Amino acid sequence: EVQLVESGGGLVQPGRSLRLSCAASGFTFDDYAMHWVRQAPGKGLEWVSSISWTGNSIVYADSVKGRFTISRDNAKNSLYLQMNSLRVDDTALYYCARDPAVAGTGGYFDYWGQGILVAVSS
Amino acid sequence: DIQMTQSPSSLSASVGDRVTITCRASQSITTYLNWYQQKPGKAPKLLIYAASSLQDGVPSRFSGSGSGTDFTLTISGLQPEDFATYYCQQSYSLPPTFGQGTKVEIK
Repeated sequence: EVQLVESGGGLVQPGRSLRLSCAASGFTFDDYAMHWVRQAPGKGLEWVSSISWTGNSIVYADSVKGRFTISRDNAKNSLYLQMNSLRVDDTALYYCARDPAVAGTGGYFDYWGQGILVAVSS
Repeated sequence: DIQMTQSPSSLSASVGDRVTITCRASQSITTYLNWYQQKPGKAPKLLIYAASSLQDGVPSRFSGSGSGTDFTLTISGLQPEDFATYYCQQSYSLPPTFGQGTKVEIK
């Protein structure tokens, strides 16, 4: 059974940092690109970042570029999101998601974690 | 970025109704269009990928159609468990972008 379990969220002050983790199981992790997608309270879905199966191809949404860093450790079946210089508008539920699409497309998401809340407030 | 626009934003329907949700892309995305269902407090669930392919385990009352810029998600015979919010998403190019969602409520 495919499982994605996020951790590392919490309440943080503006300007501070947080690191999210996503533990994957039930599939061959290094066969898949992975993404982070977020959802602000009561709002829709916003893609945040993606990383290829090798980790060599990384893309960010403009809203987080220069502040967030996505990475993966295929030996540990884990995906990460380092979030620096957090802002109030980064407050959201953050999901990790698996991408079954072929490389070179925008990607889509066939399995999602349960989500982890990041709240940025003074 | 490719903009995705769904309509309607919300709708009320009864059990057994046929429900149609539309999604329009700001440019052609051929058939790189996916549909998700999200229930309150839950992660989104993939229903349809590549415009019309049913994800494993998804009931056959869900169907998708369209190509280019205009797409449709149809629920044939709405069930109580189908009341949720539905999102379209384009996977034609980076960044992947979502529609704003359509909330299907009980009439």
